[in-house]
Amino acid sequence: DTEVTQTPKHLVMGMTNKKSLKCEQHMGHRAMYWYKQKAKKPPELMFVYSYEKLSINESVPSRFSPECPNSSLLNLHLHALQPEDSALYLCASSQVGVAKNIQYFGAGTRLSVL
Amino acid sequence: DAKTTQPTSMDCAEGRAANLPCNHSTISGNEYVYWYRQIHSQGPQYIIHGLKNNETNEMASLIITEDRKSSTLILPHATLRDTAVYYCIVRPIQGAQKLVFGQGTRLTINP
Repeated sequence: DTEVTQTPKHLVMGMTNKKSLKCEQHMGHRAMYWYKQKAKKPPELMFVYSYEKLSINESVPSRFSPECPNSSLLNLHLHALQPEDSALYLCASSQVGVAKNIQYFGAGTRLSVL
Repeated sequence: DAKTTQPTSMDCAEGRAANLPCNHSTISGNEYVYWYRQIHSQGPQYIIHGLKNNETNEMASLIITEDRKSSTLILPHATLRDTAVYYCIVRPIQGAQKLVFGQGTRLTINP
């Protein structure tokens, strides 16, 4: 099973709302990632968790708050977003510390901020 | 910044081999070449990777030049389902876990 599951698939929120994106994998991977992808652009890394600890934050604004409650789950908490934050948010997972580091991606959550 | 250069778009006839080039002239000795693809409205999918030898799996073949400054992904018998954006990515063997995506090549398979 190489599946990364993201929920919800679609999300519409206002600028004052608080919402969360969820990502789950059961491949035993200890690295998990959040990427953001704007329309017609490549994915851009936001955060990396390694062994449930935040290891990379690509200078993401604080209105995005990641959380890794256990080795299978990754959340992205959203608060006070702006319309320009509308994008496809992708989660990925991989093994840690091996030369062949393949990242497996979920289908993404398409977020619209009104 | 992405360390690869790819053509913006390519077309290929169904059933023919699709050859996607990638330039990575600044690649260092401890960096792999990875290929991913992204079909419309889906997450990126791993295809293949290599260090210096040519590689083949059930999806594709990867040909890396001897100087490692460029590579070619080959889809031997392209189908309509292979229409996607293909990303060539250079990544260190150890350490950094991040994937830096370039603009990729939009491959269209025509019937």
